[in-house]
Amino acid sequence: GESVGLHLPTLSVQEGDNSIINCAYSNSASDYFIWYKQESGKGPQFIIDIRSNMDKRQGQRVTVLLNKTVKHLSLQIAATQPGDSAVYFCAENYGGSQGNLIFGKGTKLSVKP
Amino acid sequence: DSGVTQTPKHLITATGQRVTLRCSPRSGDLSVYWYQQSLDQGLQFLIQYYNGEERAKGNILERFSAQQFPDLHSELNLSSLELGDSALYFCASSVEGQGAEKLFFGSGTQLSVL
Repeated sequence: GESVGLHLPTLSVQEGDNSIINCAYSNSASDYFIWYKQESGKGPQFIIDIRSNMDKRQGQRVTVLLNKTVKHLSLQIAATQPGDSAVYFCAENYGGSQGNLIFGKGTKLSVKP
Repeated sequence: DSGVTQTPKHLITATGQRVTLRCSPRSGDLSVYWYQQSLDQGLQFLIQYYNGEERAKGNILERFSAQQFPDLHSELNLSSLELGDSALYFCASSVEGQGAEKLFFGSGTQLSVL
């Protein structure tokens, strides 16, 4: 996971606030990015993905932004809820059809009630 | 529930031993991946299979091996176990195994080597 890193290892937010989790990637050839959520004792759960030909994609309460100029990826969670507390991983694929997802080390999000 | 099944959930063994971890992919998925998760290394890709054939190799030790069977389930074999092999081992599956697609993860097997 050395090519994908996170600016903040922990993030604490108030319930109802918006959360922003950041991720930097090093390979400009990466063509696909994905965010996962991992709750304690569970496997990573898919949240949202984005391909390199897009710069923004929205899901339910989540938005992923991709800035290829500075090789930066972010996950925005609107109206953060206690159930959002988890570790969030970004991952990139830079091998095209022969590649595999390379994961960052994760950011722990804690939501205060 | 991701649809990916891993067994066992927990495994406790001693150094020098050999264990087998099992994974059943989601129905319809042809590709299986194995990842190792430890506190200091995050999620590390080990190996990928597609329709029974090895497709990609990551940071997998020579003491570790895997295979995917005709029914598409996969097994990860860990031998000559060392204390440092203690970790969470995840299996994931995807439809095409083409790199730029989402993976669905199982709940993992927690391996403790004593």
